[in-house]
Amino acid sequence: EAGVAQSPRYKIIEKRQSVAFWCNPISGHATLYWYQQILGQGPKLLIQFQNNGVVDDSQLPKDRFSAERLKGVDSTLKIQPAKLEDSAVYLCASSSGLAATYEQYFGPGTRLTVT
Amino acid sequence: GNSVTQMEGPVTLSEEAFLTINCTYTATGYPSLFWYVQYPGEGLQLLLKATKADDKGSNKGFEATYRKETTSFHLEKGSVQVSDSAVYFCALGNTGNQFYFGTGTSLTVIP
Repeated sequence: EAGVAQSPRYKIIEKRQSVAFWCNPISGHATLYWYQQILGQGPKLLIQFQNNGVVDDSQLPKDRFSAERLKGVDSTLKIQPAKLEDSAVYLCASSSGLAATYEQYFGPGTRLTVT
Repeated sequence: GNSVTQMEGPVTLSEEAFLTINCTYTATGYPSLFWYVQYPGEGLQLLLKATKADDKGSNKGFEATYRKETTSFHLEKGSVQVSDSAVYFCALGNTGNQFYFGTGTSLTVIP
């Protein structure tokens, strides 16, 4: 079974530029999560999708971050414009169910450096 | 609100030593509790979980018991190996489908 795929693995941009990350979840997983992990901290949930609908985006900085999952499969997370404090690893995860008891499967992450 | 607090690291142990990593939580409702592990160069993966009070999760020799009275979910292993060197994250999922991770505890096991 293929795992969660993410690309790119690394990205370096200047502040005020835009960037997009892509995630392809495990086949058949209805729930998809995007997390931000700043160095030395635990992952922070940004947004959660169930199929192509948003379940929770309460911690997504909506003035600069956006995410979509148009066909209920893969997803993109965009930052525009980027700030220095956006430097972090962006993790995508998927699970087979929505409830908090379901195991999440994580991708390798995209390491973003904003200079 | 919801939050997870875990002991700060890094933790360095000799092989075959006993491991405890403390985790306490604050939550509304009745959360599920998890330990995730990140081995060097790999992604996060579930180590064990418990979905209700007094449940014990176990995997690969690791155990953690969901203690509602002390709001804790401490991770333990009786005899660590070099291959257990990793970063360990305590996490909770609440009934509102939100997830909260602790800051992580780095463990290094030396031969």
